[in-house]
Amino acid sequence: EDKVVQSPLSLVVHEGDTVTLNCSYEVTNFRSLLWYKQEKKAPTFLFMLTSSGIEKKSGRLSSILDKKELSSILNITATQTGDSAIYLCAVHPPDTDKLIFGTGTRLQVFP
Amino acid sequence: GAGVSQSPRYKVTKRGQDVALRCDPISGHVSLYWYRQALGQGPEFLTYFNYEAQQDKSGLPNDRFSAERPEGSISTLTIQRTEQRDSAMYRCASSSVGQGQETQYFGPGTRLLVL
Repeated sequence: EDKVVQSPLSLVVHEGDTVTLNCSYEVTNFRSLLWYKQEKKAPTFLFMLTSSGIEKKSGRLSSILDKKELSSILNITATQTGDSAIYLCAVHPPDTDKLIFGTGTRLQVFP
Repeated sequence: GAGVSQSPRYKVTKRGQDVALRCDPISGHVSLYWYRQALGQGPEFLTYFNYEAQQDKSGLPNDRFSAERPEGSISTLTIQRTEQRDSAMYRCASSSVGQGQETQYFGPGTRLLVL
């Protein structure tokens, strides 16, 4: 069965720290991997990684896809309190347009 | 509109009642998806449409759940004879082209509570 696992489940850091969130997947021949940030409202899109684009960066956030290890990491440098959220990882399986999500990592950044 | 909208935002109903949840996707988006999210979990796929055609309904839990998108725009997810276990956040998403690699943009969700 297709599966996406995120770790850690929860993380508490101080402002200025750097964090690494992990996502591993058991999806054969997946088409893309997406990261979302979920605050109180809708999950907001961060990155999409595919075999043709295995590294993305936007400001303090960056993500890398390791197709050999079937995993991805999301890095946030110089964290701010506004980074506090649940970070969701999702994978597109090969034969349907649905997304399979992990349970998310809850990040709390304290001043 | 600017983003995906859903209504109502909150719905409290009694067990046994039917509910209808509405999703208005981003204008022009071909694909529309329904997910259900329990507390502490990621969204779980229910069903999706390309235009008005329902492409995959494998995630619908049972035959009390149904969805339609008759004109290829707004969609309604209907739950008949609601049960307490149906309580969750129901999220809708849309994407621009239904070929699998396009980003899905999510709405704010409808929080359903069945008493």
